[in-house]
Amino acid sequence: DVKVTQSSRYLVKRTGEKVFLECVQDMDHENMFWYRQDPGLGLRLIYFSYDVKMKEKGDIPEGYSVSREKKERFSLILESASTNQTSMYLCASSLKGGHQPQHFGDGTRLSIL
Amino acid sequence: QQPVQSPQAVILREGEDAVINCSSSKALYSVHWYRQKHGEAPVFLMILLKGGEQKGHEKISASFNEKKQQSSLYLTASQLSYSGTYFCGTEGAQKLVFGQGTRLTINP
Repeated sequence: DVKVTQSSRYLVKRTGEKVFLECVQDMDHENMFWYRQDPGLGLRLIYFSYDVKMKEKGDIPEGYSVSREKKERFSLILESASTNQTSMYLCASSLKGGHQPQHFGDGTRLSIL
Repeated sequence: QQPVQSPQAVILREGEDAVINCSSSKALYSVHWYRQKHGEAPVFLMILLKGGEQKGHEKISASFNEKKQQSSLYLTASQLSYSGTYFCGTEGAQKLVFGQGTRLTINP
């Protein structure tokens, strides 16, 4: 069965820290995505990658970067965490091409103190 | 631009029907629907394509109106398991832009 695994369910960090969120998929999917989910705002795309070492900005990339060194792994990096980055972060993957379902991980609830 | 979903929340009794709408200010080519139960990952329900083709695996139906730039999800004879937050996503360049979600509560 399809599996997208996020490294932590809950994470607490301090303002100014560099934070890494990891995501691994076992489906050999080309596309991978990072979203943040906030109440009343739905899922907003931060970054996505359609191939190894390729990345594109989503709708809210400010304050974030990503890394994709291997096909199965996509990392989200908060360069200097701030309290307004407290949120639920969801990773997803899909096959390349249009009209492909996205498969989501369980999410990481990140709190920045 | 985010599609707009309506209603924002709905409460039903088991067996009742619900309709969730998703409207876009841009031309639609395909619309995805997902359901997220509390504390869980969003799960794919179906894709609706321009021209009417529908791809999915749930016993839930949907419509796609290109002219109105709108999609609607129909949940008939709702079951307790239908509870959750429903998201539509409009597709472009292999990316999705999701609506803000509709919270559906089914009571016995």
